Amino acid sequence: KQEVTQIPAALSVPEGENLVLNCSFTDSAIYNLQWFRQDPGKGLTSLLLIQSSQREQTSGRLNASLDKSSGRSTLYIAASQPGDSATYLCAVPYSGGGADGLTFGKGTHLIIQP
Amino acid sequence: GAGVSQSPSNKVTEKGKDVELRCDPISGHTALYWYRQSLGQGLEFLIYFQGNSAPDKSGLPSDRFSAERTGGSVSTLTIQRTQQEDSAVYLCASSLRSSGSLTDTQYFGPGTRLTVL
Repeated sequence: KQEVTQIPAALSVPEGENLVLNCSFTDSAIYNLQWFRQDPGKGLTSLLLIQSSQREQTSGRLNASLDKSSGRSTLYIAASQPGDSATYLCAVPYSGGGADGLTFGKGTHLIIQP
Repeated sequence: GAGVSQSPSNKVTEKGKDVELRCDPISGHTALYWYRQSLGQGLEFLIYFQGNSAPDKSGLPSDRFSAERTGGSVSTLTIQRTQQEDSAVYLCASSLRSSGSLTDTQYFGPGTRLTVL
């Protein structure tokens, strides 16, 4: 059974800092890995999807890396802003090799202090 | 274009009653997913539809939970004889999967907050 762990569970940093969120998964036979953000009381917004054949993806100030062999992914946020405050979730396909539902980590609750 | 929509946004019900939650996926998306987010439990996969069929029902927590999808579009998640532990936010997502690709991004709706008294 796939299990996803995110570290840290919570993080509070001053505006402008660069930061790294970590995600690890137990079954490395995955097709992809996705990073989402969730704002309070709202649904999830997809940030980045990394294919299994890729090692990283970039979107603006966000960069996500994937190391399948070690079962790890990191989300790098450059020059953090108060608007980045949210819960960040990583997710991999539920059944490892399949791509039906997603298994999520419990998230990193991020607060960027103005 | 319109995103995934869900209704109702909030539902309060009494223990033992049945509830129906609705999901309207993004037009043209063939795959539809239901998840549950409970306080302290994180997001939990419930069921997946490809078209109108549900090849993966493994995440449904009990036989009180069922879901259907008609016309390859709208889906309804039904919970019978609700229990207090069913209280959660129920999220729906859809993805394109038009070519059978296994790597499409899932787009989420805002969720239905269910409270069972």
